Amino acid sequence: NAGVTQTPKFRVLKTGQSMTLLCAQDMNHEYMYWYRQDPGMGLRLIHYSVGEGTTAKGEVPDGYNVSRLKKQNFLLGLESAAPSQTSVYFCASSPDPYNEQFFGPGTRLTVL
Amino acid sequence: EDKVVQSPLSLVVHEGDTVTLNCSYEVTNFRSLLWYKQEKKAPTFLFMLTSSGIEKKSGRLSSILDKKELFSILNITATQTGDSAIYLCAVESGGSNYKLTFGKGTLLTVNP
Repeated sequence: NAGVTQTPKFRVLKTGQSMTLLCAQDMNHEYMYWYRQDPGMGLRLIHYSVGEGTTAKGEVPDGYNVSRLKKQNFLLGLESAAPSQTSVYFCASSPDPYNEQFFGPGTRLTVL
Repeated sequence: EDKVVQSPLSLVVHEGDTVTLNCSYEVTNFRSLLWYKQEKKAPTFLFMLTSSGIEKKSGRLSSILDKKELFSILNITATQTGDSAIYLCAVESGGSNYKLTFGKGTLLTVNP
């Protein structure tokens, strides 16, 4: 089992460009999450999904959109990237909200 | 607003020392408290605590929750250089809306 994988590992964007981060899990988990981690800020929840076809806002959703068309995939989109979105993005999954979350290796995004 | 506060923010010890990391919280509708260890990349799960006073133990690591005083501690005995990492505390809360709030983490450095 690969667990939780994220694509790409690194990306550099210019302000205003768009991109999509892909998260995939092979554990048949219902719940999936997107976080960003910034120095001195800890992990902050952007969006999450409680099952295929569902999405919900987390703590810092502005500037991001998500989609969960397939149970195993959770996509995070940036429509018009801004320097404030420079961060490390982590995807995670869990079978339900009462269990541990399994994290992917992260994507380091720089917006110039 | 939900808050999770970890202390200290950083700590430097020598191999063999015992350390205690603290996590206090103020959240609405507490569900559980989780500890994660983050080395170079993704956070990895250590413990989930839901009940007061019950110690969870894994090798040299142990954790306990006090729901009355709203805090948890993570103890590491006989520290090793491999324990060097950021230790993250997170609290699950909320009613119908899922919420997971992370603290900023404690950076532990264990010197030989």
